[in-house]
Amino acid sequence: EPEVTQTPSHQVTQMGQEVILRCVPISNHLYFYWYRQILGQKVEFLVSFYNNEISEKSEIFDDQFSVERPDGSNFTLKIRSTKLEDSAMYFCASRRSGLETQYFGPGTRLLVL
Amino acid sequence: AQSVTQPDIHITVSEGASLELRCNYSYGATPYLFWYVQSPGQGLQLLLKYFSGDTLVQGIKGFEAEFKRSQSSFNLRKPSVHWSDAAEYFCAVGAPNYGGSQGNLIFGKGTKLSVKP
Repeated sequence: EPEVTQTPSHQVTQMGQEVILRCVPISNHLYFYWYRQILGQKVEFLVSFYNNEISEKSEIFDDQFSVERPDGSNFTLKIRSTKLEDSAMYFCASRRSGLETQYFGPGTRLLVL
Repeated sequence: AQSVTQPDIHITVSEGASLELRCNYSYGATPYLFWYVQSPGQGLQLLLKYFSGDTLVQGIKGFEAEFKRSQSSFNLRKPSVHWSDAAEYFCAVGAPNYGGSQGNLIFGKGTKLSVKP
């Protein structure tokens, strides 16, 4: 069964460094998402991406964040200058179309020191 | 704004006992409702979803959920819990225009299920 994959599974970085989290959505999916889950808190929406552009973003998704689909398979989340509060599990998700299920990847646990 | 409330942070049940996890949502229109499960170190796996039609929906692993509009609830149930069901369970509602280009989910805080032998 096709699945969403994410790399790396864990990343430790120093405050102020740039990180890129990578996702490979399911191949025939058209809608892509990033969510995050701070330890002990709820899963929060960050951004949705469709037709090579951001379709919606939350208040969390400020100028430090960016997303890109550099080729036909990868979907990346970049954090330009990480802060301690960016430490969280980051989930990528994809959806084929319309009223379809979102499929989630296993997540990348980011720790900012 | 849409919101999802899962009032139970942690529930412990005995193996073989029945289970009900509560979920209440705040949403003006007909909601698109989901239950996801997260096992330790794993991603979010869809258990079941409700879009329309029969208000009792069946999912994977023997789970079911019932949509009750009058109570704004979408509680998850299982008649007999197995040790492997120990995990965290998240209720979610599709944001407005879920079928469109946005379509993000709004999650509850989750309920952690422990199963004792």
